[in-house]
Amino acid sequence: KAGVTQTPRYLIKTRGQQVTLSCSPISGHRSVSWYQQTPGQGLQFLFEYFSETQRNKGNFPGRFSGRQFSNSRSEMNVSTLELGDSALYLCASSLTVGQGEAFFGQGTRLTVV
Amino acid sequence: AQKVTQAQTEISVVEKEDVTLDCVYETRDTTYYLFWYKQPPSGELVFLIRRNSFDEQNEISGRYSWNFQKSTSSFNFTITASQVVDSAVYFCALSEPNAGNMLTFGGGTRLMVKP
Repeated sequence: KAGVTQTPRYLIKTRGQQVTLSCSPISGHRSVSWYQQTPGQGLQFLFEYFSETQRNKGNFPGRFSGRQFSNSRSEMNVSTLELGDSALYLCASSLTVGQGEAFFGQGTRLTVV
Repeated sequence: AQKVTQAQTEISVVEKEDVTLDCVYETRDTTYYLFWYKQPPSGELVFLIRRNSFDEQNEISGRYSWNFQKSTSSFNFTITASQVVDSAVYFCALSEPNAGNMLTFGGGTRLMVKP
């Protein structure tokens, strides 16, 4: 069965712009989590959605937001981009909540110039 | 709060050597899960293993083995007879059921296996 699909794979944006990243989880999985990976901060949890509801949120400013649709697909949005938002954004798909087992997509590499 | 520490930032070995990647964790919960993920240059995190806090049995899968010791809060990962294809960054992670599926990752260990 298909894995986790993230689009686009690469993105270049200018400071001040906004960006939307997409994630399609594994079929049947209802939980989607997002992570930011940078060389300086490592892998950091952004937020988790389950059944279209945000269940958990990491320590990121309000410029980072997300949503989940009824088909479990998820999007995350970053507004007013800053240079420090340049990172690999990874989406993880889980069957349910509380078991922790997560399968990751290949990520979207965002470069802010 | 939970924390995962991977003290080894980079390890270099020659093919066929055995290598152990260390992972130490902190949590106040009695129920938790520990994971290892592999991140090849392509960027995707590949799931290797999940272990729950009540199961301290060591596990072996081919050339991979894991040693979980609650007494020292460690969950170490050994690759036997390493191969060049094992070169990647390896992450140890922790999750607590009351935090949903949120994973707390260690800083990662970059493993380089030279031919």
